[in-house]
Amino acid sequence: DTAVSQTPKYLVTQMGNDKSIKCEQNLGHDTMYWYKQDSKKFLKIMFSYNNKELIINETVPNRFSPKSPDKAHLNLHINSLELGDSAVYFCASSLTDRDSKGTQYFGPGTRLLVL
Amino acid sequence: GDSVTQMEGPVTLSEEAFLTINCTYTATGYPSLFWYVQYPGEGLQLLLKATKADDKGSNKGFEATYRKETTSFHLEKGSVQVSDSAVYFCARNDYKLSFGAGTTVTVRA
Repeated sequence: DTAVSQTPKYLVTQMGNDKSIKCEQNLGHDTMYWYKQDSKKFLKIMFSYNNKELIINETVPNRFSPKSPDKAHLNLHINSLELGDSAVYFCASSLTDRDSKGTQYFGPGTRLLVL
Repeated sequence: GDSVTQMEGPVTLSEEAFLTINCTYTATGYPSLFWYVQYPGEGLQLLLKATKADDKGSNKGFEATYRKETTSFHLEKGSVQVSDSAVYFCARNDYKLSFGAGTTVTVRA
């Protein structure tokens, strides 16, 4: 009964490669997010999609491209990986209604290491 | 400036000690406030939340009260256990979720 799941959990790759991280939620939420957590544990939002539409796009290199095929999925594709992309990437989801008050539920994270 | 400021760690305590982690937020609008916890090697879990002034969130012995007059949402637990060792994040949500820098808590037996 996983709520927010991400694959893969670990990703080790070489500089310059292209990779994707997948996220799925089975909570019936309409909004999904990607966050980056750096080595100092600092968390920053990257993107947010509501009903498959991009609503938040923070200052992120255009090598990062999110794709939302449907409300339950938000994938993150990264081109030309750089050393500085090494981090933990978290997917999250929420429901846009008055009762939830913006509560977001997070996936287990994808630990990306670029060599 | 930062929208959420929380106490810098790391914090090291003995079991059964009292834990407080201070958190203050930027007072624009009427945000919801959250505490998330990240256990070693895991993702973020919602610990508790409060959605309006004077609300108290509580879970697993942790409590935090939404104080509009002091723009604070301090986290407290009366008697910590080794299993409470984790990184704790304060967060506010207006149109997006903004996190504090996280406070690493280590509880020793």
